[in-house]
Amino acid sequence: EDQVTQSPEALRLQEGESSSLNCSYTVSGLRGLFWYRQDPGKGPEFLFTLYSAGEEKEKERLKATLTKKESFLHITAPKPEDSATYLCAVRGAETSGSRLTFGEGTQLTVNP
Amino acid sequence: KAGVTQTPRYLIKTRGQQVTLSCSPISGHRSVSWYQQTPGQGLQFLFEYFSETQRNKGNFPGRFSGRQFSNSRSEMNVSTLELGDSALYLCASSRGDRDGPQHFGDGTRLSIL
Repeated sequence: EDQVTQSPEALRLQEGESSSLNCSYTVSGLRGLFWYRQDPGKGPEFLFTLYSAGEEKEKERLKATLTKKESFLHITAPKPEDSATYLCAVRGAETSGSRLTFGEGTQLTVNP
Repeated sequence: KAGVTQTPRYLIKTRGQQVTLSCSPISGHRSVSWYQQTPGQGLQFLFEYFSETQRNKGNFPGRFSGRQFSNSRSEMNVSTLELGDSALYLCASSRGDRDGPQHFGDGTRLSIL
């Protein structure tokens, strides 16, 4: 069974203070690791997909990296508009179809 | 390009009633999945439909059911509603290939009184 654990549960940063969010996963063969951003009252918004260890993806102030056991979402010089819940999800080799297994998320608050 | 559309956005029901939620996927997407999101459990997978066939199912009771139409639009039905069914129900669509991402709608907020 695929499992995902995210840490910390909540993170409060000052504007410009860089940090990282962690996603640890257990799968029997990784078909994909996905990062989403969710704002209050909205559905998750797709950010990145990573498929193999060593892969990196970037978008504005966000950079996602992947190892064989975890993924990191690095936030460089965050702004208040980066405040949201960040969700990590995996799809394992034994999963049929498109099903994703999600972590509980990290609630990020960036203060001005 | 239009995103995933879910209707209605909000619903209030009482225990014992039934409810039907609707989802229109992104054009060209053939897979539709449904998730339940609650503060304590996070996102839990309900089921997935691809080309009008259910191809994956989560650990939810039989009161939760769904279907998909030939235009890929999907509906989810919950019968004999219970207080614990109060949640945000999210629909996600994808092309249906093995490795692509899912794209989510903004959900239906269901409250059971």
